[in-house]
Order: sequence, then C-alpha cells, then structure tokens
Amino acid sequence: DIQMTQSPSSLSASVGDRVTITCRARQSIISYLNWYQQKPGKAPKLLIYAASSLQSGVPSRFSGSGSGTDFTLTISSLQPEDFATYYCQQSYSSPITFGQGTRLEIK
Amino acid sequence: EVQLVQSGAEVKKPGESLKISCKGSGYSFTTYWIGWVRQMPGKGLEWMGIIYPGDSDTRYSPSFQGHVTISADKSISTAYLQWSSLKASDTAMYYCVRRTAAAGSGNWFDPWGQGTLVTVSS
Repeated sequence: DIQMTQSPSSLSASVGDRVTITCRARQSIISYLNWYQQKPGKAPKLLIYAASSLQSGVPSRFSGSGSGTDFTLTISSLQPEDFATYYCQQSYSSPITFGQGTRLEIK
Repeated sequence: EVQLVQSGAEVKKPGESLKISCKGSGYSFTTYWIGWVRQMPGKGLEWMGIIYPGDSDTRYSPSFQGHVTISADKSISTAYLQWSSLKASDTAMYYCVRRTAAAGSGNWFDPWGQGTLVTVSS
C-alpha cells in the first residue's frame, strides 16, 4: 500500500489568510493525487483532481500543485465556509489510499 | 444532475446480516465504476472496494476482502454493500462514490453519496 502523509494534522487560521496543506506519498504517484473537503456531518467533496485540475464549481481560491511524492493544496484567501477537514488521496495503485486528514479551524 | 442516493441509517446487533444500497441517477450507470468508502467515528477515509456495474467486475481492498461483499443490479442502477455477520467494529459511516478516470490523470471520486450510518451494538 502507498502511505499518504499530510501535514499539518491541524491548522488554525483566520479569514483572509493564505493556507497551504502538504501531502507526501511514500513512493512516486506521478500526478495521480486528488484533494477532498469534508465539512462536519457531510460527505466529502472533490476539490482538485490529477494534482492541479480544479473540479467544476470549486472556487478559484483553491489550487493544487506537485508531482512525484510531494503535493500541496493552497487556499489563497480563506473564507468562512472553508473551515473543514481536507484529505488527499492517491489513485496510482491499488489499494486507493487517503491521507489522515488536515483539520482547518478558525483562529 | 449526477447523483448517488444511499439507503437510510441502520441499527443492528452483532452477528446480524445487512445490505445497504446506493442508487445512481443522471448518468449511464453501467459505464462508471462505483466504490465504497468507510469512515469510522471521528476517523479518516478508507477505500473498501469497487465494482463495474456493466459486467460486475469487482475489486476489494485487502483490508476488506472477505469481510464485505460488493454487488450491483444494473437494471435498477443500484450498487450494494453487504455483511453476512456484523461486528461492533463495523460501526461507521459508509459512502458510495462514482469513479471517474482519464488517461494520464488517474481517477477520482465524484460525486459521493450522502452516506449511510451503520451502528452495530448489542
């Protein structure tokens, strides 16, 4: 299995801040990396696929980058509705694996 | 609108059997893989397995192989996740997901069903 490690595990930030979450794969997954947002009591929602492609309907303040083993999710200017938990996920090899999640909280 | 609608919450006793469902609409059900993801209380996401409704080709995560069965009925655009003998440790939220793939880009899950909460308690 390919282990995915996110950092930090939790993060406090303010509205308007620029935030970066990192995801590292144990081995190269080229660009087969996706990001999801989950709000409390809700199903996860796809934000970014293939490392840097923005899913339709997702605000442009979200962006993704990286390839190989190191990836980042950036929120350029935090909005109140962005406080949630974020997960990365690799689709390079089976079994599909997720990072442990990054909880983004209001400072 | 592409949608996955799951069956309602279940409360079961250890040893009981259970089958939960996920109905797809708004797209060709037989041409996309449907997967299942577990989320235990307060924990992260775990991929369980996936099925291609067109021919019922099914793949399981080694962590779940032999513990659950994934199936689909393409005539009613519905996928299923079932247990023959539940344990307390099966208590979790279960999500179904549609897998989209693109050459050179991998694959991703979108949309997600609303989730089915399974509680197993004596």
